[in-house]
Amino acid sequence: EAGVVQSPRYKIIEKKQPVAFWCNPISGHNTLYWYRQNLGQGPELLIRYENEEAVDDSQLPKDRFSAERLKGVDSTLKIQPAELGDSAVYLCASSLVSGRSTGELFFGEGSRLTVL
Amino acid sequence: GDSVTQMEGPVTLSEEAFLTINCTYTATGYPSLFWYVQYPGEGLQLLLKATKADDKGSNKGFEATYRKETTSFHLEKGSVQVSDSAVYFCALTPTGNQFYFGTGTSLTVIP
Repeated sequence: EAGVVQSPRYKIIEKKQPVAFWCNPISGHNTLYWYRQNLGQGPELLIRYENEEAVDDSQLPKDRFSAERLKGVDSTLKIQPAELGDSAVYLCASSLVSGRSTGELFFGEGSRLTVL
Repeated sequence: GDSVTQMEGPVTLSEEAFLTINCTYTATGYPSLFWYVQYPGEGLQLLLKATKADDKGSNKGFEATYRKETTSFHLEKGSVQVSDSAVYFCALTPTGNQFYFGTGTSLTVIP
């Protein structure tokens, strides 16, 4: 079974440029998460989707970040314009949540963004 | 709110040494608890989990016991190997779809 796939693995851009990250979750997983991981820190949630609906985007900086999950499968996270402080690893994770489950998370390898 | 606190790193051990990484949590209700591991250049992967009080999660020689009375979920391994060098994250979920992670503890095992 294929795991969570993310691309690109690495991206270097200059500040004020746009950037997009793509995530393909594990087949059948209804819940998709985007996390940001700063150096030496744990993952911090940006947005959570249940199917195609964004059910928790309270931590997403909506002035510059946007995300979509078309047809409840793949998802794209966009930053426009990027700032120096956006340098981080962007992690996508998915899980199968039904009822009140323990909901194990499966992570992709992450997309490392460097903003110069 | 819900949160996880884990011991500061980095931790450096010699091969075959005993490992403990402390994790305590704050949560309402009865969360599920997890340890995730992140090897260099990779994403996080589940190491072990426990879903109720007194449960013991175990995998690859690692163990952690869900202690409700002390709100703890400490990670232990009796004899670490060089290949265990990684960053370890304690996490909880109160609902099954919201997750809270600790800041991570970096472990380096030297031969």
